Amino acid sequence: DIQMTQSPSTLSASVGDRVTITCRASQSVSSWLAWYQQKPGKAPDLLIYDVSNLESGVPSRFSGSGSGTEFTLTISSLQPDDFATYYCQQYNANSPHTFGQGTKVDIK
Amino acid sequence: EVQLLESGGSLVQPGGSLRLSCAASGFTFRNHAMSWVRQAPGKGLEWVSGISNTGGHTYYADSVRGRFTISRDNSKNTLNLLINSLRAEDTAVYYCAKGRYGGNSALDHWGQGTLVTVSA
Repeated sequence: DIQMTQSPSTLSASVGDRVTITCRASQSVSSWLAWYQQKPGKAPDLLIYDVSNLESGVPSRFSGSGSGTEFTLTISSLQPDDFATYYCQQYNANSPHTFGQGTKVDIK
Repeated sequence: EVQLLESGGSLVQPGGSLRLSCAASGFTFRNHAMSWVRQAPGKGLEWVSGISNTGGHTYYADSVRGRFTISRDNSKNTLNLLINSLRAEDTAVYYCAKGRYGGNSALDHWGQGTLVTVSA
């Protein structure tokens, strides 16, 4: 199975900061990668799909990049609503669609 | 509006079985792949199983293969997950999620989850 490793596990930041989260795959997942945001007690929300495509309704301060085995989620200017846990997920064909372990973004 | 409503979660003894269901509405169900994702208390997301839009392809995490069976009824807009030989580590909130496409794709809508607790 493809393993997904996110870094860091926890990130402390302030409103207005530029935030970058990295996700590494144990083998190439091509462009089959998504990012989700989850707040406590809620289901996850899709932010980015196919590496860099912004889901409808998601603010443009979120962006995704990368290819193959290394990917990043960037929040250009952190807002109060963005304090949450973020997960990457690969959905490469014919393999379990594994998630990363998550990155919690909290207030510095 | 897309709606996904899970049901079937409960307290079950180790070794028991359970059937989870997800009623879908607000989109053309037969055109989209579907998945089950779980989250143990205080832990991260774990993808459990997926099924293509036609039901012709099914996928499982190693941790559940052989014990879980995913299925769908496109005539009733329903997704199911049959869980056998339940273990304590299967305790989690189980989410039903809709794929963006008919095959492998990101999950663009999620239900609110149903809680499965495995305990004697």
